Amino acid sequence: DAGITQSPRHKVTETGTPVTLRCHQTENHRYMYWYRQDPGHGLRLIHYSYGVKDTDKGEVSDGYSVSRSKTEDFLLTLESATSSQTSVYFCAISQTSGAYNEQFFGPGTRLTVL
Amino acid sequence: AQSVSQHNHHVILSEAASLELGCNYSYGGTVNLFWYVQYPGQHLQLLLKYFSGDPLVKGIKGFEAEFIKSKFSFNLRKPSVQWSDTAEYFCAVIVNTGFQKLVFGTGTRLLVSP
Repeated sequence: DAGITQSPRHKVTETGTPVTLRCHQTENHRYMYWYRQDPGHGLRLIHYSYGVKDTDKGEVSDGYSVSRSKTEDFLLTLESATSSQTSVYFCAISQTSGAYNEQFFGPGTRLTVL
Repeated sequence: AQSVSQHNHHVILSEAASLELGCNYSYGGTVNLFWYVQYPGQHLQLLLKYFSGDPLVKGIKGFEAEFIKSKFSFNLRKPSVQWSDTAEYFCAVIVNTGFQKLVFGTGTRLLVSP
């Protein structure tokens, strides 16, 4: 398995509180991604990074921000959590962004916003 | 926008039955195609991928998929399923324009009864 860890693995929080999820990789891959997984929607891309300090929005980026200060770490922040952000969050990494982009996924973080 | 459709949301089979899960995508250009599997409580793992060449692709655990360009399809097959194949299966597409993001289908939940 690719060396990807996510922390925390489970979190329960209250509406309006800030939450930060961490993705850490030991593969030295350039590209990192945050997805959310919801029933009936599959996986949807929140944000991605194509290098240190280089990030861009995915299809469901509203209410989320990201930061990448080191190659190995990609942080996802919910500035003010809402119940609609209850989900399972997956981090992924890839070596390239091109046509042969094969992504490897972390174990996921289950977030519940009450 | 590009999209991926998985029409079977839930499939229930008995052990030894044959499996075919449908996947259709909506893009007329060059695509690369993937099937991922998510076993209960686990992260996504790559089953197989198609980049070019032989449209019949063999993956791990006896799975295969056939790329039919004229039908915009990439159906997943297995001749004889096992109880351990119980999982959720996701089809995904990379479209070869711009930053090549992975677009996922909504998933098919397979239950194999012993």
